[in-house]
Amino acid sequence: DIQMTQSPSSLSASVGDRVTITCRASQGISNYLAWYQQKPGKVPKLLIYAASTLQSGVPSRFSGSGSGTDFTLTISSLQPEDVATYYCQKYNSAPTFGQGTRLEIK
Amino acid sequence: EVQLVESGGGLVQPGRSLRLSCAASGFTFDDYAMHWVRQAPGKGLEWVSGISWNSGSIGYADSVKGRFTISRDNAKNSLYLQMNSLRAEDTALYYCAKDSFSRLEWLFDDWGQGTLVTVSS
Repeated sequence: DIQMTQSPSSLSASVGDRVTITCRASQGISNYLAWYQQKPGKVPKLLIYAASTLQSGVPSRFSGSGSGTDFTLTISSLQPEDVATYYCQKYNSAPTFGQGTRLEIK
Repeated sequence: EVQLVESGGGLVQPGRSLRLSCAASGFTFDDYAMHWVRQAPGKGLEWVSGISWNSGSIGYADSVKGRFTISRDNAKNSLYLQMNSLRAEDTALYYCAKDSFSRLEWLFDDWGQGTLVTVSS
């Protein structure tokens, strides 16, 4: 089974900071990589799919990149409403989620 | 607007059964594959099971294979999960999730609010 490993597990940053979360697959997954945002007490929300395609309605400060085994989620200018846990997920075959990255405001 | 409303959760003893339902609205239900994804308290996301638009393709996580059965009724715009031989480790919030495709692609673009299943004696 392909494992997805995110880093860091938690992150604290200031409003306006550029934030990067990484996700590594144990085997190549082409670009079948999605990112989800789960705000505290809320339902997961699809942010990005195909590694870099923004889901409709997602603010442009979010971006994704990568292919194969290494992927990143970047928030160009952190906002207070971005406090959440972020999950990467491989799809197209039996799905696996990363363990999550908890993002807080410093 | 897509709406997915789960029901059927509750407290159940180990070894017993429970059936979850998901009522869908706001989209053409039989155009899309559907899934169950769960989240244990304070933990991450785990895909449980998925079913294609016409029930022709079905998949299960290894952790539930042989115990859980997914089904759908396109005439009723509803998704179901029959859970048998429940274990303490099945305790979780169970989300109904819509796939972006009619086949199993496992890309979850809409989620319900979830229904809580607690397995305990």
